[in-house]
Amino acid sequence: NAGVMQNPRHLVRRRGQEARLRCSPMKGHSHVYWYRQLPEEGLKFMVYLQKENIIDESGMPKERFSAEFPKEGPSILRIQQVVRGDSAAYFCASSPNQDSTGELFFGEGSRLTVL
Amino acid sequence: QKEVEQNSGPLSVPEGAIASLNCTYSDRGSQSFFWYRQYSGKSPELIMFIYSNGDKEDGRFTAQLNKASQYVSLLIRDSQPSDSATYLCAVVSGTLTFGKGTMLLVSP
Repeated sequence: NAGVMQNPRHLVRRRGQEARLRCSPMKGHSHVYWYRQLPEEGLKFMVYLQKENIIDESGMPKERFSAEFPKEGPSILRIQQVVRGDSAAYFCASSPNQDSTGELFFGEGSRLTVL
Repeated sequence: QKEVEQNSGPLSVPEGAIASLNCTYSDRGSQSFFWYRQYSGKSPELIMFIYSNGDKEDGRFTAQLNKASQYVSLLIRDSQPSDSATYLCAVVSGTLTFGKGTMLLVSP
């Protein structure tokens, strides 16, 4: 299956710990997007990356959150010193090129619970 | 702030009926419009896109776009219980901006 792969699917952290979420895009896709979905809320854009570059991080909180998409390996969304408000589903999506910004293929999501 | 607005629902329709889902957007410069479907606990999946004013049909689905009114809609004909899901309207405004979604319930 060459779909978008996210792991872990479920992650439990205590307040103050770090969460690392990984995303491997669909084969042949070099553009990765991270979205956050809170209960009863819509999908909120966080960051858009290409290999080794952050293209748009306008939706990323200024503190504690960071993202990368290295030349080799998956994209990683890192949340430091998690708080209960970080509990959400984090979805990664990929597209083959910049012209396909709206035609995204989503992974199954990583559901973060902060105790 | 660029916004995409949808009625949260739920929209309840009987099996076989037409379901009409609506969406408005604030960025008048938007050129690309999308409908995603999200089943409970699952990830969104793209079902339709439309770029030009008018209607676009794909099987039981018809997307409608009116840029002057900044309005997008999705019609689902012959609704089936398996269509019960949350439908997300999305608009490219720089990046892809989603509405909160409309929950559709199709009763047998």
